[in-house]
Amino acid sequence: DAKTTQPTSMDCAEGRAANLPCNHSTISGNEYVYWYRQIHSQGPQYIIHGLKNNETNEMASLIITEDRKSSTLILPHATLRDTAVYYCIVRVVAGGFKTIFGAGTRLFVKA
Amino acid sequence: EAGVTQSPTHLIKTRGQQATLRCSPISGHTSVYWYQQALGLGLQFLLWYDEGEERNRGNFPPRFSGRQFPNYSSELNVNALELEDSALYLCASSLARAYTIYFGEGSWLTVV
Repeated sequence: DAKTTQPTSMDCAEGRAANLPCNHSTISGNEYVYWYRQIHSQGPQYIIHGLKNNETNEMASLIITEDRKSSTLILPHATLRDTAVYYCIVRVVAGGFKTIFGAGTRLFVKA
Repeated sequence: EAGVTQSPTHLIKTRGQQATLRCSPISGHTSVYWYQQALGLGLQFLLWYDEGEERNRGNFPPRFSGRQFPNYSSELNVNALELEDSALYLCASSLARAYTIYFGEGSWLTVV
């Protein structure tokens, strides 16, 4: 599975959009981009995933560049409860989920 | 619908002992994954079970083992516990090997 690079930490004002970038320049054509978040030592929570096209669900939007070498997770209206570590990972669909999660981005949402 | 459930929530063991952690996947899910997360560190892949078989394991010694039962629940066994085994052990499940995985809340193992 391809490696990802994320900023160590980011701040966001409550009510504003949080845009979390992820670089995955070595991604293969059959690898999906997945986002999870982990709130203070709880189990990671699935957010969203995509292959090529932009995706949106009730939690967030995922924007993947045309060359698929980077992506951005967007939390449209961040709240204090969105403060967490956000993990961007890429994985081959059929290969199980043995990917190692990196350090992620620690997002601080401030009032 | 119940999520992934893990037990026990907390476990304290003495160095050299054995620990057993249990996981019940989401109903209908056949794949189970185990991860270790030491305090302040990222998730490290441990084991993957699919349809009762071990499909892959991470870079961990053989004293980390497990199994998946016919009802797809799973247990993780850690033998000859060492202090550095103290961590949050996370179980996750997916509908099949190709699908999104969902995590439980984890089991905290403390080795003293």
